[in-house]
Amino acid sequence: AQSVTQLGSHVSVSEGALVLLRCNYSSSVPPYLFWYVQYPNQGLQLLLKYTSAATLVKGINGFEAEFKKSETSFHLTKPSAHMSDAAEYFCAVSDVRGADGLTFGKGTHLIIQP
Amino acid sequence: KAGVTQTPRYLIKTRGQQVTLSCSPISGHRSVSWYQQTPGQGLQFLFEYFSETQRNKGNFPGRFSGRQFSNSRSEMNVSTLELGDSALYLCASSTEGLAGVETQYFGPGTRLLVL
Repeated sequence: AQSVTQLGSHVSVSEGALVLLRCNYSSSVPPYLFWYVQYPNQGLQLLLKYTSAATLVKGINGFEAEFKKSETSFHLTKPSAHMSDAAEYFCAVSDVRGADGLTFGKGTHLIIQP
Repeated sequence: KAGVTQTPRYLIKTRGQQVTLSCSPISGHRSVSWYQQTPGQGLQFLFEYFSETQRNKGNFPGRFSGRQFSNSRSEMNVSTLELGDSALYLCASSTEGLAGVETQYFGPGTRLLVL
């Protein structure tokens, strides 16, 4: 069975500071990993995904994530936070077929301080 | 291309009633997945439909069911509603339903409140 752990239900950073959202996974098969963002009253938008190509994955809005197999991690980073980055972020894992759909972490609420 | 649409956006029901939610996928997408999002349990996979057949199913009771039509539109039904069914229900579509390699496109969700 797959599972995802996101450390920190809330993360607060100052505008312009580094954003680091943590995600650890467990999977019995080579995983496919995703980060999604959810703005209030909206659905999920894909930020980036890892599908066993490059371990450093670049996504939209300046976000990137690095797959580290030895640490079973897929942390999301952004060098400089913008106010518009305030949202809920979800890490998810899947096998290639997605027989169990996407398995999501509990989410991290990112707060940007002016 | 139009995105995934879900109707209605908001719904209020009482315990014991049943409800039907609708999802129209992106044109050309044959796979539709449904997820339940609650503050306590987070996002949980309900089921996936592909070419009118339920292909995968999450760990939910039989009160939760769905179907898919020939135009790939999907409906989800919840019978005998319970207070705990209050949630945001999200659907996602993709071309072939290969969650690992394909991008899943999510709709805005239907927010269901059970009183």
